[in-house]
Amino acid sequence: KAGVTQTPRYLIKTRGQQVTLSCSPISGHRSVSWYQQTPGQGLQFLFEYFSETQRNKGNFPGRFSGRQFSNSRSEMNVSTLELGDSALYLCASSLEGQVHFGPGTRLTVT
Amino acid sequence: GENVEQHPSTLSVQEGDSAVIKCTYSDSASNYFPWYKQELGKRPQLIIDIRSNVGEKKDQRIAVTLNKTAKHFSLHITETQPEDSAVYFCAASNHPKAAGNKLTFGGGTRVLVKP
Repeated sequence: KAGVTQTPRYLIKTRGQQVTLSCSPISGHRSVSWYQQTPGQGLQFLFEYFSETQRNKGNFPGRFSGRQFSNSRSEMNVSTLELGDSALYLCASSLEGQVHFGPGTRLTVT
Repeated sequence: GENVEQHPSTLSVQEGDSAVIKCTYSDSASNYFPWYKQELGKRPQLIIDIRSNVGEKKDQRIAVTLNKTAKHFSLHITETQPEDSAVYFCAASNHPKAAGNKLTFGGGTRVLVKP
């Protein structure tokens, strides 16, 4: 089976702009979650979607949002970008509890 | 919420020696404990996991042990090879309860295997 895919892989944005990241889960996986990875804070959970419903949310401001479509594909959006949002954003899909990560989107905010 | 602490933050071992990484968790409801290996510039890759009804699990050179009473779990890598050099993350979650698939990660251990 193909793994989790994410687009784009790299992104450079300016403070104040917004960004949308996309994720396609492993075929058959209905749970999609998003994580932020930074050198300072490590791997932090953003949110999880299951059957188009947000099932879990981490401790991030409301500028971070997401959604899931009927085909399980997911998008996350960050509005009013700040310099501190520069990070690797990892999408993951899971089945029976095992969580598998995509390659990530490297977001740089200047 | 759950808090996972991981030690050591860096570990240097000679090729062929064993490496041990330890994690402690705070939420007694956590019941699933995966380990991930992340090589430079790559995605975290699931290498082994253990559920709370099992005390130990082994897969070739890697093994994980879980002590539910003490709320800690460990990763053991035997006969280390240079390709084992990477950052290793432990994580904990309460699956498949209401918490869904939310993983709380430890801070990571950078392992360097010297040839």
